[in-house]
Amino acid sequence: DTAVSQTPKYLVTQMGNDKSIKCEQNLGHDTMYWYKQDSKKFLKIMFSYNNKELIINETVPNRFSPKSPDKAHLNLHINSLELGDSAVYFCASSQDITEAFFGQGTRLTVV
Amino acid sequence: GQQVMQIPQYQHVQEGEDFTTYCNSSTTLSNIQWYKQRPGGHPVFLIQLVKSGEVKKQKRLTFQFGEAKKNSSLHITATQTTDVGTYFCAGINSGYALNFGKGTSLLVTP
Repeated sequence: DTAVSQTPKYLVTQMGNDKSIKCEQNLGHDTMYWYKQDSKKFLKIMFSYNNKELIINETVPNRFSPKSPDKAHLNLHINSLELGDSAVYFCASSQDITEAFFGQGTRLTVV
Repeated sequence: GQQVMQIPQYQHVQEGEDFTTYCNSSTTLSNIQWYKQRPGGHPVFLIQLVKSGEVKKQKRLTFQFGEAKKNSSLHITATQTTDVGTYFCAGINSGYALNFGKGTSLLVTP
């Protein structure tokens, strides 16, 4: 069983479109995250969410919004996609900011 | 905010040579974690260090946490081609998520 799964693995879309990436974890963790990894491999935290609180990195454009239907899911919605949004997006989960488990990543290409 | 700096950015070694990556934080860390990301893969947890001056070993990998809890290192003895990847250190960012260094990409040639 995959601990943290995200779909799709690849996403190619045109500028201006709206897209979503789904993430699910079956580890029973209380916290989930979204990270963006750019072409230089820098892993940047975008959001942290547990069943009590959403914390947003203030540098993330408001075109990005996380949505959590329940504790095991944290989806990422992106509106009005731009070329600079092209990157690999990783979902992760952890219990109390200990060891983080990452999904396989979604490679987003905006054309 | 907290900054986690990591050097070198890249390292190319011959198989059998040793490798070290260094991590420095602008603030004192409660703990530090290390991850490895293989090419095309996702970050995978290696270890967490908590105590000042702590040293932990995993086979050929040795992890150290500085006395002031502001720096850490990962040393690999006698590298193998399976060690190829990017190694990241990470500290807790303002109490809500891991703040990753920029990583050290290791290339090992046989």
